[in-house]
Amino acid sequence: GDSVTQMEGPVTLSEEAFLTINCTYTATGYPSLFWYVQYPGEGLQLLLKATKADDKGSNKGFEATYRKETTSFHLEKGSVQVSDSAVYFCALSGERNYGQNFVFGPGTRLSVLP
Amino acid sequence: GAGVSQSPSNKVTEKGKDVELRCDPISGHTALYWYRQSLGQGLEFLIYFQGNSAPDKSGLPSDRFSAERTGGSVSTLTIQRTQQEDSAVYLCASSLGASGGPSTDTQYFGPGTRLTVL
Repeated sequence: GDSVTQMEGPVTLSEEAFLTINCTYTATGYPSLFWYVQYPGEGLQLLLKATKADDKGSNKGFEATYRKETTSFHLEKGSVQVSDSAVYFCALSGERNYGQNFVFGPGTRLSVLP
Repeated sequence: GAGVSQSPSNKVTEKGKDVELRCDPISGHTALYWYRQSLGQGLEFLIYFQGNSAPDKSGLPSDRFSAERTGGSVSTLTIQRTQQEDSAVYLCASSLGASGGPSTDTQYFGPGTRLTVL
């Protein structure tokens, strides 16, 4: 079945450092790919998404490119801030036309230190 | 506009009691999902509703768990004879359930209900 693998956390960075959180997936066909973020004490919210190969999703300085050749959707940010401290979930939505088809990775906790 | 709402936000109960958790999806969303998130863990899929179709219950961990969705809108997750291992945050999400296949669908999450079983 479909699956999502993302790097284990926690990830601890200093403010203004470069961030990469790796995400790879296994799916049949052409899934859509998502990054969700969960800030402390809050619910999950969509950070960005890409619906086809080579698309780049971007939001709040974060970017991720849908790479079908490497089945990856790595999350990057050039300069993190303390306010980016959160748990980040990679997810995919597959091509099934029945039943749930959303698969989430285990999440990566990011801590940014001032 | 209004997002997904869940109630209660917190629920403390005694082992063996039944609990009901409520989810109000975004108006017009035909798809509704329930997940469980244990402390420091990822999301565990529980159940999925899509329109009037039979729900996908493949993620429910035991027969103590059940869910219904009335009128294609509000959903209630019921846990009978709660156990301590049921303690978690229960998340509800809804999506448009786009026609032509769900592959571009985006889920919108509620704030969750934190359940503590003593």
